[in-house]
Amino acid sequence: DAGVIQSPRHEVTEMGQEVTLRCKPISGHDYLFWYRQTMMRGLELLIYFNNNVPIDDSGMPEDRFSAKMPNASFSTLKIQPSEPRDSAVYFCASTEHGVRSVYGYTFGSGTRLTVV
Amino acid sequence: RKEVEQDPGPFNVPEGATVAFNCTYSNSASQSFFWYRQDCRKEPKLLMSVYSSGNEDGRFTAQLNRASQYISLLIRDSKLSDSATYLCVVPNSGYSTLTFGKGTMLLVSP
Repeated sequence: DAGVIQSPRHEVTEMGQEVTLRCKPISGHDYLFWYRQTMMRGLELLIYFNNNVPIDDSGMPEDRFSAKMPNASFSTLKIQPSEPRDSAVYFCASTEHGVRSVYGYTFGSGTRLTVV
Repeated sequence: RKEVEQDPGPFNVPEGATVAFNCTYSNSASQSFFWYRQDCRKEPKLLMSVYSSGNEDGRFTAQLNRASQYISLLIRDSKLSDSATYLCVVPNSGYSTLTFGKGTMLLVSP
């Protein structure tokens, strides 16, 4: 398996622009998570899906952030409009069986977002 | 108490040394725990799962103390390649997702 695949690897955009991050989970994994990592706050859970349905989006910072999972093999995280404080590394992760998985979560390589 | 807390370090040790990190957690009902390793500018990767009282994998030993609600990671015979940040991971209070600590940085020098 190719693992969790994220794109793009790096994104530099101007404040106010729309940013779309993409993720392909591992085939057969029914849970998908979006995390944001910064030096100050560490890894923060933004939202997670089970069987393509959003379960908990309480970590989404504000209405500028939205996430979708139209099918089992694809998810997007969109920021519109982007702001400099959104600069961070955004990770997508997937797993079978959720928190009870003995294998934890498998992470993608992340998208490093810089908003100038 | 925060859901999970770790000493950020860095821990600076010479090659061959033994080093241990602790992690405290708040959810007394937690049953499963993990240690992840994250290299600079890379994604976190699973190092060890921790169940029951602990787990051992080569030079790495993880121990669980439920009474005091802490997990430890012991690394014996440190290698240069062990230099990384080690993340302690516990289920959240709702037992719906995993919460990641901010990590402990380890630097192993020649």
